Amino acid sequence: QKEVEQNSGPLSVPEGAIASLNCTYSDRGSQSFFWYRQYSGKSPELIMSIYSNGDKEDGRFTAQLNKASQYVSLLIRDSQPSDSATYLCALEDSWGKFQFGAGTQVVVTP
Amino acid sequence: GAGVSQSPSNKVTEKGKDVELRCDPISGHTALYWYRQSLGQGLEFLIYFQGNSAPDKSGLPSDRFSAERTGGSVSTLTIQRTQQEDSAVYLCAAGQGAGETQYFGPGTRLLVL
Repeated sequence: QKEVEQNSGPLSVPEGAIASLNCTYSDRGSQSFFWYRQYSGKSPELIMSIYSNGDKEDGRFTAQLNKASQYVSLLIRDSQPSDSATYLCALEDSWGKFQFGAGTQVVVTP
Repeated sequence: GAGVSQSPSNKVTEKGKDVELRCDPISGHTALYWYRQSLGQGLEFLIYFQGNSAPDKSGLPSDRFSAERTGGSVSTLTIQRTQQEDSAVYLCAAGQGAGETQYFGPGTRLLVL
């Protein structure tokens, strides 16, 4: 079982709609969670971090964390073609080591 | 991102040659990771340095790969006797550790002919 699981996609989203990305993890001791965006040919860049259960909003992005159910999600509201990218879920496990999911490819169609 | 630099940005080498890739994080970034990313694939963990602790080398694919970090700052990833399957983008990421964000460098694109 992988530490961090994501659907690989592609997730096709009409422009203006909400994109919903999910991530599950196996290490219950994980405390810090991150979402990165990676454009083709570029390095991953941080979108959001979340540490507490509940929702955290930043502009059009909302991260949701549920430690009891061991999942973290990312919502992208009013999706734009520029949001087309691969989104990586990451966490710091109970040993202090970063673990990344394989990423979900999002395609926003005009 | 946040000042992590890598060099060279591109490297073309012949099969069997050795290569050295460099990562220069921001001062104070105690955690440093190396990843490999093949075309269209996810991040493959290679090695992790945290402060003065012994590095986690569990991701190194073979004994041809090694890495060191001098003075808790600059890190060098060395690939000996390169093979064509080593062709990939090698990414370095660094952060302050303990729940803090990692920031990625721009990567080194390695092509082994």
